[in-house]
Amino acid sequence: EAQVTQNPRYLITVTGKKLTVTCSQNMNHEYMSWYRQDPGLGLRQIYYSMNVEVTDKGDVPEGYKVSRKEKRNFPLILESPSPNQTSLYFCASSLRASGNTIYFGEGSWLTVV
Amino acid sequence: GESVGLHLPTLSVQEGDNSIINCAYSNSASDYFIWYKQESGKGPQFIIDIRSNMDKRQGQRVTVLLNKTVKHLSLQIAATQPGDSAVYFCAVGGTSYGKLTFGQGTILTVHP
Repeated sequence: EAQVTQNPRYLITVTGKKLTVTCSQNMNHEYMSWYRQDPGLGLRQIYYSMNVEVTDKGDVPEGYKVSRKEKRNFPLILESPSPNQTSLYFCASSLRASGNTIYFGEGSWLTVV
Repeated sequence: GESVGLHLPTLSVQEGDNSIINCAYSNSASDYFIWYKQESGKGPQFIIDIRSNMDKRQGQRVTVLLNKTVKHLSLQIAATQPGDSAVYFCAVGGTSYGKLTFGQGTILTVHP
């Protein structure tokens, strides 16, 4: 079954404590992306990756890092989380950057206190 | 930059009616447009997409219309069912390869 899997699904953490949200896809997709979803702001792209070792900033990259060392995984790293990073995060993947169906994970609820 | 807007934040329809959800975009260089459905507690689900070289595309009970002249696209859902109740997002891409900009979403409520 085609899947995009995120972990953790729910996390409460404290300001400044580094955390990583993992994302894995089993479809051999080249393109992966991270979004955050906030009330009234919709989905905003944080970072995306066209392929292994190729990443680029989306619209709201500040405070986040990503890596793409292998095709299936695209972790989102918050080096020093702050309360304004409290949000619902989605990972997504597709075969290519455009023109293909984009599959989303189930989302990760992150609260920074 | 790209901005994407929706004309109505909420839409209520009766079961069996046709629904139309609208979306406006700002960058005329955009060339890829997608509609997503998001149910409560779930990730967005792809519905249908269209490229800028087309002005209409049909799927199962859904049709996307693209008007590049006024930078507007719409999603039409035929014979709307209670299971169609969700938030619908348009997304626009193509101005920068790999970047996708989402609209804020329209809440569709279908009454039995």
